[in-house]
Amino acid sequence: QLQLQESGPGLVKPPETLSLTCTVSGGSISSGTYFWGWIRQPPGKGLEWIGSISYSGSTYYNPSLKSRVTISVDTSKNQFSLKLSSVTAADTAVFYCAGLSGYFYHKFDYWGQGAPVTVSS
Amino acid sequence: QSALTQPASVSGSPGQSITISCTGTSSDVGGYSYVSWYQQHPGKAPKLMIYDVNNRPSGVSNRFSGSKSGNTASLTISGLQAEDEADYYCSSYASSSTLVFGGGTKLTVL
Repeated sequence: QLQLQESGPGLVKPPETLSLTCTVSGGSISSGTYFWGWIRQPPGKGLEWIGSISYSGSTYYNPSLKSRVTISVDTSKNQFSLKLSSVTAADTAVFYCAGLSGYFYHKFDYWGQGAPVTVSS
Repeated sequence: QSALTQPASVSGSPGQSITISCTGTSSDVGGYSYVSWYQQHPGKAPKLMIYDVNNRPSGVSNRFSGSKSGNTASLTISGLQAEDEADYYCSSYASSSTLVFGGGTKLTVL
């Protein structure tokens, strides 16, 4: 049973870069069974897929965020990370990391508990 | 890439059945059989309830079922229980290796 845990600053100033890390336990991030993804949820709003990464580093991003997003993987630490640049108050959200499987790695099987991030000066 | 369209809210009484729709386009819901549904209770992470249109992960009650017709997928919950009160989100694989969520539906058990 995989477990995922987000970590990172809870407060980021505009227009700095938001950085979060997800630590995976209960399995190897490089097993190839899963892709790894980030999802965000603004206060009182719905879920938004940010992007996904394979263990080998192939990345897939939401077109609306692509210019500001970088997702990377560190197999030695069993972690993957999110960087979102030039943040504004509109980027305030709970950020979830997740493990994805399926033919197109399209279903979110495992979720972290979520990390709230506020963007404010 | 636009969010999939879900009703903002649905309600039902205990024991009844409800259905939540999720409408997309031929580039997402209509083009692939890779629609998933998630349940989210307040302050909690989402939980996978249905995948690939109509498959249930191990441990999910058989009161939850899914279907799809054209560009619209549906989640049906039968024998409604108080614990089913939550937000529900659909998601779909979309063209160009992207994923898209619906706007979410708040289910109220009366």
